[in-house]
Formats: sequence, structure tokens, C-alpha cells
Amino acid sequence: NAGVMQNPRHLVRRRGQEARLRCSPMKGHSHVYWYRQLPEEGLKFMVYLQKENIIDESGMPKERFSAEFPKEGPSILRIQQVVRGDSAAYFCASSPPPSGVPYEQYFGPGTRLTVT
Amino acid sequence: LAKTTQPISMDSYEGQEVNITCSHNNIATNDYITWYQQFPSQGPRFIIQGYKTKVTNEVASLFIPADRKSSTLSLPRVSLSDTAVYYCLVGDGLTGGGNKLTFGTGTQLKVEL
Repeated sequence: NAGVMQNPRHLVRRRGQEARLRCSPMKGHSHVYWYRQLPEEGLKFMVYLQKENIIDESGMPKERFSAEFPKEGPSILRIQQVVRGDSAAYFCASSPPPSGVPYEQYFGPGTRLTVT
Repeated sequence: LAKTTQPISMDSYEGQEVNITCSHNNIATNDYITWYQQFPSQGPRFIIQGYKTKVTNEVASLFIPADRKSSTLSLPRVSLSDTAVYYCLVGDGLTGGGNKLTFGTGTQLKVEL
């Protein structure tokens, strides 16, 4: 059973370009989460999605960032007009549907975005 | 979500037992306590989860006192490969639209020979 897959692992973009980060959840998992980690900091929640539905985007910056999880294919985190401050590691996690007991989340290896 | 406080760093030697304590004074009745481990350049990995008393698995033990205002992650006989950042998280899995995890800065454990 393959784990959470993210690609690319490393992404370099110039300021003003667009960055697209992809995440394929574990088989059987219908819930995807995106987190951002700046150097020397903990992970910060960005967005929580189910297939074709955004459940919670309270951690997403108001502008330039968007996420989707289509019926078919991976989840995509899209950053438009990147700036140097967007340089970070972006982690995707997946889980089965939440219930009364928090499920463990399975994290991918991350995409390291560098904006030059 | 309950705020957590844990030491910034800890040092240990191979073969020793390491105990990392996390304070969560505002833990709610429905909250669970979960610990994750993160190696450099990798995503976090679930270690253990508990609600009260003691939980043990093949990797670690989690001790939770009766008042649940703190918890202690115990790693028996650590090795160099246990060098990582350890995060304590508290939540009920339902607040905020599901299983949104809130990570603090964690505890950097360094294990030496």
C-alpha cells in the first residue's frame, strides 16, 4: 500500500511565477490536508479537503493560494505570483473520514518550494 | 484547540530512556493527546495517541495523569536514529472541521553516542 505521494519533491520558481504542488493520498483515504512549514518552525495548517469539496480553508492566505481535490486525480495546491516569502516546505497528509477519535494522519515527504 | 507547551530541546545518549513532557492546561473533555515525530526533510509520523492513563505501543509509551493537564512521551532505550523533533498535539478531531492538526515548535531531541 503506497503511502502519500507528493510531487515534485523540489520546486524552484522565480518571483511572479505560479507553483503547482500535487498530492496523491493513501489508497482508501478520502480526506486531504495541506500544511506549510517554514524553516525552524512547526507545521501550520492551510486547508482540509474532501473530494470536490473544501471543508476548512481557515489557514489559507486570502490571496494567491488555492487548493482543489477533484473527483479524479491528485489534490493540487496552487500558488500564483509567488514571492520569496512563499519559500517553505509544503506537506500533504491524508486520513480516513474523521470520527469521535482523532485519526492519525499520514504525511507525504513534502515539496520544498524555493522562490528566487 | 488546547495550547501545548513542551521543552525546546533535549539531549540524551544511546541506550537511555527519554521522557518528554507536554503541558496542556486547557485540555477539553473530548480532547485526545497525540504525538508525532519528524526527521529532517521528512513529513511528520504518528507515534502514539491517548486519552487517559497509560498507552503503550511498539515504539513508545504515553503517560497521562488523572487531571490530563500534562502528558509524558517515553522513549525506551533511544538510539541515534531517534534524533528528531517530537510534537505534542491536543484536539478532539472534530473541532474546526475535522482533524486539523495544530503543531507547535516541538522538542528537538538529540541522541549522542
